Amino acid sequence: DIQMTQSPPSLSASLGDKVTITCQASQNINKYIAWYQQKPGKAPRQLIRYTSTLVSGTPSRFSGSGSGRDYSFSISNVESEDIASYYCLQYDNLPRTFGGGTKLELK
Amino acid sequence: QIQLVQSGPELKKPGESVKISCKASGYTFTNYGMYWVKQAPGQGLQYMGWINTETGKPTYADDFKGRFVFFLETSASTAYLQINNLKNEDMATYFCARNYYFDYWGQGVMVTVSS
Repeated sequence: DIQMTQSPPSLSASLGDKVTITCQASQNINKYIAWYQQKPGKAPRQLIRYTSTLVSGTPSRFSGSGSGRDYSFSISNVESEDIASYYCLQYDNLPRTFGGGTKLELK
Repeated sequence: QIQLVQSGPELKKPGESVKISCKASGYTFTNYGMYWVKQAPGQGLQYMGWINTETGKPTYADDFKGRFVFFLETSASTAYLQINNLKNEDMATYFCARNYYFDYWGQGVMVTVSS
């Protein structure tokens, strides 16, 4: 199974900050990574797929990059509505595996 | 629009079974696999497996072999997750998600296991 190591587990940011979350796969996942936002009591919502493709409706302040084993997800100019948990998912192989999650809080 | 609508919350006793539904609309059900994800209280997302909606063949992640069953009612565009012989550690929210990269999700079903 591919392990996805996501960091940091938590992040504190001020409104307007840029934040970055990383996911490292235990092997090359060929850019098949997606990023999700989850708010309390809600289902995850896909923001980005195939490393950097924004899903329809995802604001342009969200971005993703990476290749091979190493990937990152950024939010530039954090807004209050971005306060949530974020997860990466590798979909290169079965079983699919998620990162452990990052909880973004307001400083 | 594409929607996955899941059944309501469940309260069960240890040893009982629970059946969770996931009704799809807004697309051709058999064109996309259906995946299942567990989220224990305060925890992250855990992949459970998937079912091929064309053939009905389920594939289970290692942690979900034995008591967990995925099946379909294709005529109703509905996927089901059944958990048999419930244990305390099954207490969680269960999500269905469409497609191999989980583009659309159901709202989740909270399963409480308590004697």
